[in-house]
Amino acid sequence: DAKTTQPTSMDCAEGRAANLPCNHSTISGNEYVYWYRQIHSQGPQYIIHGLKNNETNEMASLIITEDRKSSTLILPHATLRDTAVYYCIVRARAHGSSNTGKLIFGQGTTLQVKP
Amino acid sequence: GAGVSQSPRYKVAKRGQDVALRCDPISGHVSLFWYQQALGQGPEFLTYFQNEAQLDKSGLPSDRFFAERPEGSVSTLKIQRTQQEDSAVYLCASSFFSISLAGGTDTQYFGPGTRLTVL
Repeated sequence: DAKTTQPTSMDCAEGRAANLPCNHSTISGNEYVYWYRQIHSQGPQYIIHGLKNNETNEMASLIITEDRKSSTLILPHATLRDTAVYYCIVRARAHGSSNTGKLIFGQGTTLQVKP
Repeated sequence: GAGVSQSPRYKVAKRGQDVALRCDPISGHVSLFWYQQALGQGPEFLTYFQNEAQLDKSGLPSDRFFAERPEGSVSTLKIQRTQQEDSAVYLCASSFFSISLAGGTDTQYFGPGTRLTVL
């Protein structure tokens, strides 16, 4: 699975957009970009994933560059409850016993949303 | 249930004791994962089940760690002769993905974790 690089920490003002970058320059053609977040004392929570097209759901938007070597997770209107560690994970979709879909987490980005 | 549940939420053990951590996955979820999360670190994979079959145990750190899922639903992670370095949060996740069916979303849903402290 490709390695990802994320900033250690970021701040964001409440109500503003939070843009969390992730570099994955060694991503393979069959690998997806997944984002999870972990609020303090809770288990990780799935946010969004994508292959090459931009994706949007009720939680966030995912922008993937054309060369797929980097991506940005966008929380359009950050709230205090969005304070968490955000993990960018790159891996192929689970498809067999050789790839069961286990997640390989890095250190993530600690996002602090401030009032 | 509505989500993945784990029990106990907190466990304190004396060094050398055996512990058992329980995971109740989302009903109908075929895949089940265990992860270990040390303080200040991201979770690390321990083991994977599809139904009752343990297909990947490559992340188990030693033979003191044992996991089972005998009926393909509830899973137990057992740690024998606990040591201080076993202190961590143990996370369980489940997903609907089935290798045999080669399909289904592989989004993983995590429980709140069990915080194990070994004194």
